[in-house]
Amino acid sequence: AQKVTQAQTEISVVEKEDVTLDCVYETRDTTYYLFWYKQPPSGELVFLIRRNSFDEQNEISGRYSWNFQKSTSSFNFTITASQVVDSAVYFCALSTGGDDKIIFGKGTRLHILP
Amino acid sequence: NAGVTQTPKFRVLKTGQSMTLLCAQDMNHEYMYWYRQDPGMGLRLIHYSVGEGTTAKGEVPDGYNVSRLKKQNFLLGLESAAPSQTSVYFCASSYSIAAHEPQHFGDGTRLSIL
Repeated sequence: AQKVTQAQTEISVVEKEDVTLDCVYETRDTTYYLFWYKQPPSGELVFLIRRNSFDEQNEISGRYSWNFQKSTSSFNFTITASQVVDSAVYFCALSTGGDDKIIFGKGTRLHILP
Repeated sequence: NAGVTQTPKFRVLKTGQSMTLLCAQDMNHEYMYWYRQDPGMGLRLIHYSVGEGTTAKGEVPDGYNVSRLKKQNFLLGLESAAPSQTSVYFCASSYSIAAHEPQHFGDGTRLSIL
């Protein structure tokens, strides 16, 4: 069975601190895709990144970076020098080879304090 | 640049009433999804469709029905609303989940059942 665990329910950090959001996934498929979505206070869900199981290279996009490690089944998300605008709920998600669906984690609510 | 449009944005119903939520996408996407979001539960899939005229059950389908008569529209119906269906409902679409494309989300419908 597929599963996504975001153990951190809520995190608060002071602006300019770095913060890492954890995501652990479970699947028996060898082909799968991992996603991160952001849900700001306004409510819409915004796609951030997709990674496939054959590409373990870390990715950096501005202040955002993602660390994909198959050995620990993790796909962690780090925000460097956090800003108040980063305050949101962040969802990690998984889709597997032959499936039509995406499984979402329960989300991590991130508060960036000024 | 409409993307995914959900109608209505807010609604209050009385127990036992029926209603239909409309989702429309203008991206020619094949796949469409209905989720509900509840505090601490993340996003849970209600029903989805892999193409015009097709529908399938997700994780929490009971009490809901769907129809996909036109490719661009995906309707979610509540035949007899119950307080347990109070939630925020999100529609999403993607070009193809087999290709594991990211899902594009609407802004959500906040539904309260009294």
